[in-house]
Amino acid sequence: DAGVTQSPTHLIKTRGQQVTLRCSPKSGHDTVSWYQQALGQGPQFIFQYYEEEERQRGNFPDRFSGHQFPNYSSELNVNALLLGDSALYLCASSKDSPGPNSPLHFGNGTRLTVT
Amino acid sequence: DAKTTQPPSMDCAEGRAANLPCNHSTISGNEYVYWYRQIHSQGPQYIIHGLKNNETNEMASLIITEDRKSSTLILPHATLRDTAVYYCIVRANAGNNRKLIWGLGTSLAVNP
Repeated sequence: DAGVTQSPTHLIKTRGQQVTLRCSPKSGHDTVSWYQQALGQGPQFIFQYYEEEERQRGNFPDRFSGHQFPNYSSELNVNALLLGDSALYLCASSKDSPGPNSPLHFGNGTRLTVT
Repeated sequence: DAKTTQPPSMDCAEGRAANLPCNHSTISGNEYVYWYRQIHSQGPQYIIHGLKNNETNEMASLIITEDRKSSTLILPHATLRDTAVYYCIVRANAGNNRKLIWGLGTSLAVNP
């Protein structure tokens, strides 16, 4: 049973460029969340997608956008990259339910370096 | 801001129990305590969660005080592979606020 997979694992971009990161959720999961983790810090919530719509958003500018596809996979897009966007980007999936939220399962992330 | 406070680092001898404390004095009645860990260069891994009763699974035990203002994660027989950053998070387990707010965690070093 494949867990959460993210691609690419590493990426180097130049300031001002745009980047797209991809995530496939764990089998049976329908909800995808994205987190940004700077070096030495805990992850910070970017947004969550469910039923192909953004359901909740953290304190990130509009340069950060996302998409969820019918097969529940997701993309994170970042436009006009800044040096400060260099971080580990984590994707987490879960199974939505009307009752208690299921724990998140994380991928190993994409390490983005902006030069 | 994170709603939990953890010591920045701890050491433990291999084979001994590792007891990781967490303070969450402002926890609300509908909020659960979650523990995750992050081994270097990997994504966070779910360990355990609980509301008010003590919980145990194949990875760890979670002890929550009666007033729910603090908890302890116990790794009963720590191994070198348990060296990681451990995060304690409080989160409502239902409803529309689904994000996790992470602090800096505790860096646990298991020594041979």
